[in-house]
Amino acid sequence: GAVVSQHPSRVICKSGTSVKIECRSLDFQATTMFWYRQFPKQSLMLMATSNEGSKATYEQGVEKDKFLINHASLTLSTLTVTSAHPEDSSFYICSARPQLGQHNEKLFFGSGTQLSVL
Amino acid sequence: GQSLEQPSEVTAVEGAIVQINCTYQTSGFYGLSWYQQHDGGAPTFLSYNGLDGLEETGRFSSFLSRSDSYGYLLLQELQMKDSASYFCAVGGGYQKVTFGTGTKLQVIP
Repeated sequence: GAVVSQHPSRVICKSGTSVKIECRSLDFQATTMFWYRQFPKQSLMLMATSNEGSKATYEQGVEKDKFLINHASLTLSTLTVTSAHPEDSSFYICSARPQLGQHNEKLFFGSGTQLSVL
Repeated sequence: GQSLEQPSEVTAVEGAIVQINCTYQTSGFYGLSWYQQHDGGAPTFLSYNGLDGLEETGRFSSFLSRSDSYGYLLLQELQMKDSASYFCAVGGGYQKVTFGTGTKLQVIP
């Protein structure tokens, strides 16, 4: 089965610092990756759609300068939370969609990153 | 915009059958998917309906009615390990995937 690796699984940082989260598709090429944010007992809220080689498309209300997304290759996307503040504390989770025609209706998720900003 | 509504919580007895409903409003419908998420874990894909009707995958079945903008997930022979949150989602292909409000299922002995 398709595997998506996400690191780190947990990070604690001081307010004002930046945190980078990596998402890798290990055994397939992902032309599209999605970044979600999830607060406790709530649904997954789409933050942005990341396409390889192009700028990410951000959802309304998501600050693109705060949440920097880079999709440099078909297997790697990164999310950098810049100048993190306590309100950014959340569970961040990436997902990858295989190239069109290969179970394209499925999303494969990373294991998530629990960010705590002190 | 897109919105998907689900009941917030459902409780069912081990061995029983439970149905989790999902109503949606969306433009450019692609398909309805279902995902399971245990506390602290990642969502895992359960089922997908691109066309009307019932799809069966083991103990799990999913139904879609595009004319009613409605679908459901049916879990049979419930097991304690099925206690989790279940999300419907719309999107696929070239579309983004939007998740529903989620249903927390508690299976009791």
